[in-house]
Amino acid sequence: AQSVTQPDIHITVSEGASLELRCNYSYGATPYLFWYVQSPGQGLQLLLKYFSGDTLVQGIKGFEAEFKRSQSSFNLRKPSVHWSDAAEYFCATRSNDYKLSFGAGTTVTVRA
Amino acid sequence: GAVVSQHPSWVICKSGTSVKIECRSLDFQATTMFWYRQFPKQSLMLMATSNEGSKATYEQGVEKDKFLINHASLTLSTLTVTSAHPEDSSFYICSASRTLNEQFFGPGTRLTVL
Repeated sequence: AQSVTQPDIHITVSEGASLELRCNYSYGATPYLFWYVQSPGQGLQLLLKYFSGDTLVQGIKGFEAEFKRSQSSFNLRKPSVHWSDAAEYFCATRSNDYKLSFGAGTTVTVRA
Repeated sequence: GAVVSQHPSWVICKSGTSVKIECRSLDFQATTMFWYRQFPKQSLMLMATSNEGSKATYEQGVEKDKFLINHASLTLSTLTVTSAHPEDSSFYICSASRTLNEQFFGPGTRLTVL
């Protein structure tokens, strides 16, 4: 079964600095990959997704992710973080029957 | 667009009682709704998938008699935790989908069983 792994449990970054969150997938064929953000009191919000095509995907809130088949990775990046980016981030993959499987999540703390 | 609500957002109940959680798609018709469970500082685990007018499909290890799911309309699905016990305390999240290519998530319901 498809799965994703997020190696980093917690990342602290300074406001204005760049951010990269790691996600590794386990699947033979081209996977369907997603990045979600979860803020307290709010539902998960889709940042971006990759199904096929251009391996560099642009998302909302200034985020982007790059699909690298050679590294089985789909890392999320943002060039300059804002305090409002402090949240929990989840990488996910979707099975052929449309079920999502989430990684363990990475908590992002933004320091002033 | 694509707003999903959950009610209640937080509920405390006594052990042995049943609790119903509602999930509504406010501005679209959801042919499929999903229910997830999230433990503190952990990921979301899919519990079940429900299609309007059909019986829910439960994931392995999820007790269907304990977690009753009803998807009576294209905008409403309910999860009833029957005879709740402290180990059922968790954060329950629903999502709704109209095309299956994307799920829209509700804000979640925190259940505490005393």
